[in-house]
Amino acid sequence: QSALTQPASVSGSPGQSITISCTGTSSDIGGYNYVSWYRQHPGKAPKLMISEVSNRPSGVSNRFSGSKSGNTASLTISGLQAEDEADYYCSSYTSSVTIIFGGGTKLTVL
Amino acid sequence: QVQLVQSGAEVKNPGASVKVSCKASGYTFISYDITWVRQAPGQGLEWMGGMNVKNGNTNYAQKFQDRVIMTTDTSTSTAYMDLRSLRSDDTAIYYCVRDTGSAYFDIWGRGTLVTVSS
Repeated sequence: QSALTQPASVSGSPGQSITISCTGTSSDIGGYNYVSWYRQHPGKAPKLMISEVSNRPSGVSNRFSGSKSGNTASLTISGLQAEDEADYYCSSYTSSVTIIFGGGTKLTVL
Repeated sequence: QVQLVQSGAEVKNPGASVKVSCKASGYTFISYDITWVRQAPGQGLEWMGGMNVKNGNTNYAQKFQDRVIMTTDTSTSTAYMDLRSLRSDDTAIYYCVRDTGSAYFDIWGRGTLVTVSS
């Protein structure tokens, strides 16, 4: 099963908003509300930012929001800050009872 | 606090096996599944499979079905991932993660680097 499709890179200036897309199929993103987003700084373990499409775990800034339309999920970060510069990965539950990740998106804060 | 502490880095020859441990603390071990995710150098995340700690059921990615065994020791709140017949492309950081059962991973270990090289 191929990875979910994410843009390789996105960029934005401090204070701006950016959106990262994550495209799958009806067998994963489109079929379930089990999309998650993770942030990974260089040399660190990933951190959960969004679960179940749009739920923000305790302690995660409300600048992070998630949504889904059809087979595509999106992560939006508003009020960009330098600390947001990192790699971002989406994941989804699949009809094969597995988890599939996106290829990752490198966010650069200009 | 809730944490997963993994064993140290390993260097293995091709064809060998590696067993990575993951000790949980700060929560009731049997209340959550444990999943393993790996990341090759400069690459993305890859789901390897997971284990229901309460009943011992496992669910492995097809890619690893023949080579991986995931186990837990509830007496010590420790999970293990055993990968055999190692190849050079198994060189990666292996993460254990707490799986909430709703397909998301809320606690991550720091990772264990496994290097496969002759």
